[in-house]
Amino acid sequence: DGGITQSPKYLFRKEGQNVTLSCEQNLNHDAMYWYRQDPGQGLRLIYYSQIVNDFQKGDIAEGYSVSREKKESFPLTVTSAQKNPTAFYLCASKEGTGRNQPQHFGDGTRLSIL
Amino acid sequence: KNEVEQSPQNLTAQEGEFITINCSYSVGISALHWLQQHPGGGIVSLFMLSSGKKKHGRLIATINIQEKHSSLHITASHPRDSAVYICAVRSGSARQLTFGSGTQLTVLP
Repeated sequence: DGGITQSPKYLFRKEGQNVTLSCEQNLNHDAMYWYRQDPGQGLRLIYYSQIVNDFQKGDIAEGYSVSREKKESFPLTVTSAQKNPTAFYLCASKEGTGRNQPQHFGDGTRLSIL
Repeated sequence: KNEVEQSPQNLTAQEGEFITINCSYSVGISALHWLQQHPGGGIVSLFMLSSGKKKHGRLIATINIQEKHSSLHITASHPRDSAVYICAVRSGSARQLTFGSGTQLTVLP
């Protein structure tokens, strides 16, 4: 079945370490997104990519980096510059770049600091 | 003030009750989405609408563009409906969605 796979489901990081969250989709979607979710708050956009080899900063990009070398993959690196990385991270994808199409979400990765 | 406000934040209902979750937004939009987030964190898109009403099974979503308001209704609620329901809007020129903070629904047997 087609879908979005995020891994790992749970991730622990020591302070000062970079960690990379994986997001893979086999839906042949052009656009991919990374969101951060904190308790009691709406999802906030970190980065998005409309096409391979191109990506744009979202509202809270500081301390994060991404790459889009393949259409299927959009990994997110949480760098040591991100001072409050503990959160739930969701990846999403969307067919095409049209505005009014639904996004499909992965099951998320919960990142915690040791 | 958030661009997207949901109410209530928390809702507890008895099985079989009719449930309404509200979403108000402050900007002109091209589309509004209702999402369901399961306890494990995964999110499913329920509806995308820009006018009128949509129905899928026991779920009904309505939108009033003039009043900048949308409602999600669940008829004959069931414990498996327990989840966080999230409203998200796309403003006319934006490429991004703006999300509400969600409504935690608990349906008791």
